[in-house]
Amino acid sequence: EDKVVQSPLSLVVHEGDTVTLNCSYEVTNFRSLLWYKQEKKAPTFLFMLTSSGIEKKSGRLSSILDKKELSSILNITATQTGDSAIYLCAVEPLSGYALNFGKGTSLLVTP
Amino acid sequence: GAGVSQSPSNKVTEKGKDVELRCDPISGHTALYWYRQSLGQGLEFLIYFQGNSAPDKSGLPSDRFSAERTGGSVSTLTIQRTQQEDSAVYLCASSLVGGPTQYFGPGTRLLVL
Repeated sequence: EDKVVQSPLSLVVHEGDTVTLNCSYEVTNFRSLLWYKQEKKAPTFLFMLTSSGIEKKSGRLSSILDKKELSSILNITATQTGDSAIYLCAVEPLSGYALNFGKGTSLLVTP
Repeated sequence: GAGVSQSPSNKVTEKGKDVELRCDPISGHTALYWYRQSLGQGLEFLIYFQGNSAPDKSGLPSDRFSAERTGGSVSTLTIQRTQQEDSAVYLCASSLVGGPTQYFGPGTRLLVL
């Protein structure tokens, strides 16, 4: 079964809109949750979250972890066409090192 | 500095042939991972190398898949007797020992006809 579930699977918005991407996970004990942006092929690192309730921010992107709800959100404000990509959420388990990835949310920002 | 590099970027092969995919990790990163991403799917873990330790091969889908890492740096993923279901993007990542942040290469897109 999927341990990391992302929603929505795909999303189309207009430039300037704000979007919220969701990631929920079944792993109750884990070391960290990571967000990646995948354009074309190589996922690029966005955020690593380890503590609940502490927001990480980078420009128009921000993310927060809610360990009580076993979820994380990724917010993008004032979206631009360059934000079009697949956004991947991954959980690093306590034991082991292989990240458990969700299937991703495919975001398309139209002009 | 240079990121993770992979070659070839694209590979088209016929069913039954063997293929070799190469990954050159970031200098100084002792951990190296291979993942597979099929169309519409998340990344599927294949194999993990850490320094000189025995690799974790638990994610390899069949004995047709193997990987090695020479000198603690470059890694080669080999798929023997390729099947159509092997068609996917094969991604390599590296990280510092104990670090969860994995840095990915551009991947190799494999198409088995």
